[in-house]
Order: sequence, then C-alpha cells, then structure tokens
Amino acid sequence: ETVLTQSPDTLSLSPGERATLSCRASQSVSSYLAWYQQKPGQAPRLLIYDASNRATGIPARFSGTGSGTDFTLTISSLEPEDFAVYYCQQRSNWLWTFGQGTKVEIK
Amino acid sequence: EVQLLESGGGLVQPGWSLRLSCTASGFTFSNYAMTWVRQAPGKGLEWVSTISGGGNSKYYADSVRGRFTISRDNSKNTAYLEMHTVRAEDTAIYYCAKDLYSGSQLGGGFDYWGQGTLVAVSS
Repeated sequence: ETVLTQSPDTLSLSPGERATLSCRASQSVSSYLAWYQQKPGQAPRLLIYDASNRATGIPARFSGTGSGTDFTLTISSLEPEDFAVYYCQQRSNWLWTFGQGTKVEIK
Repeated sequence: EVQLLESGGGLVQPGWSLRLSCTASGFTFSNYAMTWVRQAPGKGLEWVSTISGGGNSKYYADSVRGRFTISRDNSKNTAYLEMHTVRAEDTAIYYCAKDLYSGSQLGGGFDYWGQGTLVAVSS
C-alpha cells in the first residue's frame, strides 16, 4: 500500500499570503495524484488532478506540481474562502489512498 | 447537472448489517466507476470501495474487505454499499463519489461527491 504523508499538519497564514502544502508518497505514483479541499460540514472538492491539472471551476491561484514521490499544492494568494483542510490522494491501479490532511488556518 | 444522493445511513448495533444507496443523475452512469469514501468524526478521508462502470470489477480497502460488498444497478443509476458485521470503528460519514474519467483510465480523481450519509455503530 502506498502511504501519503502531508506536511505540515497545520499551516497558519494570513489572507493574501502564499500557501505551500506538501505531499510525499512512500513509492512512486507517477503523476496520479489529486488534491481536494474540504470545508467543515461539506463534502471534499476536487482541486487538482494528475498532479498539475486544475479541475473545472477551480481558480488559477491553485496550482499543483510534482511527480514520482514529491508533490506540492500552492495557493498563490490566500482568499478568505481558502481556509480549509486539504487532502492529497493517489491511485495505484484500483487502490486509492489519502494523505492525513493539512489544515490551513487563519493566523 | 451532476447529482449524487446517498441514503440508508442511521444508528445500527455492532454486528448488524446496513445497506447504503447512492442515486446518480446528470451523467451516463454506466460509463463511470463509483466509489465510497468515509470520514470518521473529526478524522480524515478513507477510501472504502470502488466498482467499475459495468460492475464487473470491485475493489476494497483492507479494513472492510470480507465485510462490505459494493454493487450497482445501472438501470436505476444507483450504487450500493452493503455493510455486514459492522463495528464501532465503521462509524463515519459515508460519501459516494464519481470518477473524473470514464472507463478504466488511470489517474484523475473524484470530481463529484454526494453530501454523505452518517452511519453510527453503537449499542
């Protein structure tokens, strides 16, 4: 099983600042990595798929990079609605795993 | 507009069974794999099970293999998760989600999610 480890667990930033979230896989997942945003009481929302592709309707301030075992989600300038929990997810064949999540909170 | 609506959650005693349903609309249901993901209270996301578009291939997390069964009825645009011998640790919100890609293409993600249904296992 491929384990995804996200860092940091919590990121305390102010609106307008840049957020950089990391996701490391225990073995190569090629570019088969997705990122999700989840707000309290809501279902997750797909942000990025295949490491660097923005999903439909996702603002350009969200970007994803990486391949193999190291991936990054960057939010270029935090908006008030971006404070949430972010999860990375990988698929190995037909088995999916999620990272433990990074909470982006208001400083 | 794509919509996924889960139902069937509730309070159930340890060792009992429960069936969750996910009714879909707004897309060609049979073209897409469907997945169940759960989230225990205050915890992260856990993949549970996936079924291919035609229903012939089914995949399970180790934590539920042998106890849960995923199925689908493409004539009813509905996916199911049968939960048997439930345990306290199965307590969670259960979400159904649609694959971004049709067919069996690797990668992608889950582009639409339902609102979730809560399963609480307690005596």
